[in-house]
Amino acid sequence: AQSVTQLGSHVSVSEGALVLLRCNYSSSVPPYLFWYVQYPNQGLQLLLKYTTGATLVKGINGFEAEFKKSETSFHLTKPSAHMSDAAEYFCASHNAGNMLTFGGGTRLMVKP
Amino acid sequence: ETGVTQTPRHLVMGMTNKKSLKCEQHLGHNAMYWYKQSAKKPLELMFVYNFKEQTENNSVPSRFSPECPNSSHLFLHLHTLQPEDSALYLCASSQGGGRANTGELFFGEGSRLTVL
Repeated sequence: AQSVTQLGSHVSVSEGALVLLRCNYSSSVPPYLFWYVQYPNQGLQLLLKYTTGATLVKGINGFEAEFKKSETSFHLTKPSAHMSDAAEYFCASHNAGNMLTFGGGTRLMVKP
Repeated sequence: ETGVTQTPRHLVMGMTNKKSLKCEQHLGHNAMYWYKQSAKKPLELMFVYNFKEQTENNSVPSRFSPECPNSSHLFLHLHTLQPEDSALYLCASSQGGGRANTGELFFGEGSRLTVL
């Protein structure tokens, strides 16, 4: 069975600092991978996705993620945090014939 | 309207009430989903409908009753709920259903349910 692990349920950074949210997946074959963001009192919104091809994927709002097969990771980064980035972030994986599997989520807090 | 729309956004109900949550998608998708999001718990998939047919039921108690009259509309009928059912209920849609889709889901803004 697939699983997705997000290390750190809460991450706090200062405004302007690097954002790094970690995601590891378990799958026997490379899955499709996703990062979703959820702002307070809203649904989930797709940030970026990896399907095939280039392993460095750029998303909205300056976020990017790199698929590393050898590390079974898909960490999300942003060079400089903004107050508006405060939200909950979900990593998810999908293999053909299976349902989308979500990680437990990481709440990002941005300090002024 | 575009995207996935959920109504009502907030609902307070007693344990003996009957109410319904509504979801509508304007994306031309074939599959629709209900998820439950409780505080400090992972997202829980409840139901999946693909071309109006239910393809997944994740051992959800019978006090939750889904209905999918067509590919654009999804309901969640609620009756005799418990306080622990208080949560954010999220509807989503996708092109290609359930296990056949490429994984990308489009979510509504959720219905915040409080059971007293």
